[in-house]
Amino acid sequence: DIQMTQSPSSLSASVGDRVTITCRASQSIDSYLNWYQQKPEKAPKLLIYAASSLQSGVPSRFSGSGSGTDFTLTISSLQPEDFATYYCQQSYITSYTFGQGTRLEIK
Amino acid sequence: EVQLVESGGGLVQPGRSLRLSCAASGFTFDDYAMHWVRQAPGKGLEWVSGISWNSGDIGYADSVKGRFTISRDNAKNSLYLQMNSLRAEDTALYYCAKDLLSYSHAFHIWGQGTMVTVSS
Repeated sequence: DIQMTQSPSSLSASVGDRVTITCRASQSIDSYLNWYQQKPEKAPKLLIYAASSLQSGVPSRFSGSGSGTDFTLTISSLQPEDFATYYCQQSYITSYTFGQGTRLEIK
Repeated sequence: EVQLVESGGGLVQPGRSLRLSCAASGFTFDDYAMHWVRQAPGKGLEWVSGISWNSGDIGYADSVKGRFTISRDNAKNSLYLQMNSLRAEDTALYYCAKDLLSYSHAFHIWGQGTMVTVSS
C-alpha cells in the first residue's frame, strides 16, 4: 500500500496567518491527491481534489499544489472556522490511503 | 439537498455479523460510485470498500477483504455493507460516501456515520 505522511501532525496558528500543510506519498501518485477538513463530531468535507482543484463552495483562501510524491495545502489567511483536522488522501490506487491528519489549533 | 443517511450500526460480539445501510437522496444515485470509509475512535480515516455505479467494479481494503461485502440497489437508492466475522479492530464510525465522479475515489459527500462496536 502507498503510505501518506503529513507534516506537521499538529500546528498552532492565529487568525489571519498563512498556513501550509504538507503531504508526502511513499511512491508517485501523479496528481491523484485530495484534501479534506474534519471538525469535531462531524463528517469530513472535501476541499481540494486532483491536487489543485478547488471543490465547489470551498473558499478561495484554500489552495493545493504538487504532483508526484509531494503536495501542499495552503490556507492564505486563517479564519476562525478553519480550525479543524486536515487529511490528505491518495486516489491513485487501492487502498486509497489517507494521511494521519494535521490538527490545526488556535494559538 | 444531497443527503446520505447510514443505519444498522450497534454493539456486536466478535465473530458475529452486521449489515449497514445507507439511504441516498438528492442526486441521481446510479450515476455515481459509492464507498464506505471508517474512523476508529480518536483515529484517522480508512477507506473500507467502494462500488461502481453498476456494481461492475468493486474493491476492498486488505483489512476487510473476505469478510465484508459491499452492494447497492439502484432502484432503492441504497448502499449496503455486509460485515461478517467481526473483530475488535473493526470498531469504528462507518461513513457512507458519494464519489466525486464516476469512480474517482475522491469522497465528495459524506453521511453522518453509524457506529459499530465489536466487543464481548
